[in-house]
Amino acid sequence: DSGVTQTPKHLITATGQRVTLRCSPRSGDLSVYWYQQSLDQGLQFLIQYYNGEERAKGNILERFSAQQFPDLHSELNLSSLELGDSALYFCASSVGQLSYEQYFGPGTRLTVT
Amino acid sequence: AQSVAQPEDQVNVAEGNPLTVKCTYSVSGNPYLFWYVQYPNRGLQFLLKYITGDNLVKGSYGFEAEFNKSQTSFHLKKPSALVSDSALYFCAVRMNSGGYQKVTFGTGTKLQVIP
Repeated sequence: DSGVTQTPKHLITATGQRVTLRCSPRSGDLSVYWYQQSLDQGLQFLIQYYNGEERAKGNILERFSAQQFPDLHSELNLSSLELGDSALYFCASSVGQLSYEQYFGPGTRLTVT
Repeated sequence: AQSVAQPEDQVNVAEGNPLTVKCTYSVSGNPYLFWYVQYPNRGLQFLLKYITGDNLVKGSYGFEAEFNKSQTSFHLKKPSALVSDSALYFCAVRMNSGGYQKVTFGTGTKLQVIP
């Protein structure tokens, strides 16, 4: 158990809808990262937040957004969902903004029908 | 742009034999390199990292990796494979730029250890 929690574990929704994925980092970690893992795209870094501020952006679509709250939990919002957004979404956390080790949560499996 | 390549989609090895999972990288500057393992229906787990220093890095579960600057490689190794090592292995490279960091993962290599 990494100490990173993600909810929900599974999510099934229809195209065009909007969903919110939630992540709670390990106690004491200030950075949160979001990743998307799909069969065709592999593991893709989406975005990083550190202590409430955006620190790095990867391959995140404009339909997706994220934020980190004062209690350090983070939410990833996915809107106007498409079939191709079906994937496993991972959250990871680390102590600092440039920390070497990231600890991953169990992931949220999103299925768009 | 930084990139990392894992040339093998799958590696099969007999239990008890040594294993190698290959990774090559391309970055400008000094790389920070990592290996992660993903078991079925689980998140990634950190195995080991290379930041600087000794080219042979030891990590969790008896794994080690050798950093080779001239060949731009960071291959994962284990002297004696266990069936429980069967999983998906990801190599990753991280670069810091202006206070930001970007992590790029390889496509993953499925390791199958045969009893």
